Amino acid sequence: DVKVTQSSRYLVKRTGEKVFLECVQDMDHENMFWYRQDPGLGLRLIYFSYDVKMKEKGDIPEGYSVSREKKERFSLILESASTNQTSMYLCASSPQRGNQPQHFGDGTRLSIL
Amino acid sequence: GENVEQHPSTLSVQEGDSAVIKCTYSDSASNYFPWYKQELGKRPQLIIDIRSNVGEKKDQRIAVTLNKTAKHFSLHITETQPEDSAVYFCAASLYKLSFGAGTTVTVRA
Repeated sequence: DVKVTQSSRYLVKRTGEKVFLECVQDMDHENMFWYRQDPGLGLRLIYFSYDVKMKEKGDIPEGYSVSREKKERFSLILESASTNQTSMYLCASSPQRGNQPQHFGDGTRLSIL
Repeated sequence: GENVEQHPSTLSVQEGDSAVIKCTYSDSASNYFPWYKQELGKRPQLIIDIRSNVGEKKDQRIAVTLNKTAKHFSLHITETQPEDSAVYFCAASLYKLSFGAGTTVTVRA
């Protein structure tokens, strides 16, 4: 069974801090994704990666960056956290390029005070 | 980019009745349409998906239909049970998923 693990379930940070959200998958998947989930807006794609050191912008990349130094790990970085980035963040992975089912982590509920 | 609209936003059904959720998409090139179920406090999980070369797919009490001409697809749940209560998301993809806003389904016992 695919396991996607996010480093924290809950996180509280202050405005202006640099925040790191970590995601690890154990199935050697090529693709990894970061979404944010807000009530009434569904899941919105922030960034995704097809391979190590590769990244592509999703629909809402502003204020975020990502890092993929190893195949199993995909990090989301909030360069200078703001209150409007308070949200649930979900990481997902899928095998090989092309349309394949995505497997999600449990999510990190991030609060920016 | 792709825009996915999902209706209704909330749906309450009596146990044993059917539930139908409808989605429309904007990009005619999209070719993959998954549905995810998210129970309260849990991760979204894939329940069924369909590709553009197929018009209908069924898995036990769940079925999905796709109308490429009209650019809409639907999820049908028959004989609903309390454990079907959750938020359901549709999505459409050419090379990345675009999700609908979600439908909160409540099954009344």
